[in-house]
Amino acid sequence: GQSLEQPSEVTAVEGAIVQINCTYQTSGFYGLSWYQQHDGGAPTFLSYNALDGLEETGRFSSFLSRSDSYGYLLLQELQMKDSASYFCAVSPRGNTDKLIFGTGTRLQVFP
Amino acid sequence: DAMVIQNPRYQVTQFGKPVTLSCSQTLNHNVMYWYQQKSSQAPKLLFHYYDKDFNNEADTPDNFQSRRPNTSFCFLDIRSPGLGDAAMYLCATSRAGYMNTEAFFGQGTRLTVV
Repeated sequence: GQSLEQPSEVTAVEGAIVQINCTYQTSGFYGLSWYQQHDGGAPTFLSYNALDGLEETGRFSSFLSRSDSYGYLLLQELQMKDSASYFCAVSPRGNTDKLIFGTGTRLQVFP
Repeated sequence: DAMVIQNPRYQVTQFGKPVTLSCSQTLNHNVMYWYQQKSSQAPKLLFHYYDKDFNNEADTPDNFQSRRPNTSFCFLDIRSPGLGDAAMYLCATSRAGYMNTEAFFGQGTRLTVV
C-alpha cells in the first residue's frame, strides 16, 4: 500500500523560504508530484520528480530521495497568495493510472 | 477554454435521495478519476477509469457507483446519500502511462445532504 505523510500546518512570513516535507511508505512508484489547492478551489499541478534530485520551477523547487523515502517542496520568496494547501502525490508502480495523495500541509503566509 | 468541467458546482440533496454528479473533459485523456474531499483533508480516490476499464478502490462504499459512457464524460452516482457523504467531489483526468505526470482537476461539486 501507500502512505504519504506531511506536516499538517506550516506558517511563514512574506519573503521567507519554507520547506514542506513528504515522507512515504510505499511499495514503489514512478515519481512524486506536488499539487497546490487554495480554499474552495481545485488542486493544481506544481511539479514532478521522476528521478532523485532537485527540480526547479521558478520560485518552487521539489526534491526526491528514494533511498531516504523522502521528498520536499521548497517555496522561495513567499507571497501572500502562496497561502494554500499543498499535497504530495504518487502513482504506484504496477498501477500507473492511480494517483494517491499525501495527507496535505496547510501553509499560512503572514505579512 | 475550460478543460475539465463539473456540474453542478453545488448540489443539495435529501438524505437517501439518489444523486448524480457529472464531469466532462476536452483533453481526450484516457484516465478519469473521482475523488472525495472532506474539509481539511486530502482528496481520497474513489474510482478511476482507464478508458472504459473501471477500477474501484477497496474502501469505496457500495453506495458509490460510476459510469463512463464515452471518453469525454464520467458520472458519479450516490445511491442513498447519508450525512457523512457531504463533501467536495473532484473529477480529474490524465494521460495514461508511466510518464503520467500531471492530473487536471475540475472545480469540484460541493455536495450538501439535508
